[in-house]
Amino acid sequence: QKEVEQNSGPLSVPEGAIASLNCTYSDRGSQSFFWYRQYSGKSPELIMSIYSNGDKEDGRFTAQLNKASQYVSLLIRDSQPSDSATYLCAVIEGSNYKLTFGKGTLLTVNP
Amino acid sequence: GAGVSQSPSNKVTEKGKDVELRCDPISGHTALYWYRQSLGQGLEFLIYFQGNSAPDKSGLPSDRFSAERTGGSVSTLTIQRTQQEDSAVYLCASSLGPGAATDTQYFGPGTRLTVL
Repeated sequence: QKEVEQNSGPLSVPEGAIASLNCTYSDRGSQSFFWYRQYSGKSPELIMSIYSNGDKEDGRFTAQLNKASQYVSLLIRDSQPSDSATYLCAVIEGSNYKLTFGKGTLLTVNP
Repeated sequence: GAGVSQSPSNKVTEKGKDVELRCDPISGHTALYWYRQSLGQGLEFLIYFQGNSAPDKSGLPSDRFSAERTGGSVSTLTIQRTQQEDSAVYLCASSLGPGAATDTQYFGPGTRLTVL
């Protein structure tokens, strides 16, 4: 059973701080990794995708991938109250196409 | 441009009734996916379409669930003889295709199904 694990949270950080969200996955064949943001009552919205080991930066967001440790993380710099949401880690294995999701981490950014 | 659209946004039905959920993918996207999100279960894959074909139906939870896609565009997910455990948000996603691992899936707003 392929699994994607995330801390459910809630993770609470003050405005302006760095929020660090973590995800581990069980399938070593996983090739593609995604972070989605989901506001309450809304559908998931893609934040970042990463396919190679290392860091990928996009504005205030940085995704980090370590395939040897089967670990992917998302850093949010200068956190804003509008970043408060559930962050979903999702993985695609090999040449597959199905997204396997973690259960998400609830992030709260306090003004 | 227009995103993925789904209808209805909310559906309340009685146990035992049939329901149809509709998805309109982003124009030009050949791959279409259905997922289900329920409390405690997270987001689960249901079915994948490439064009009008469904090469992977492995996530459909029972034979009461079926889906079709016509014209390589609109898809309908049908649930027959609904049960209370079918209550969930049903999400549709589309991607450029042909379903490559680096292909980005974009989600629609979902249909919230409540079975009384």
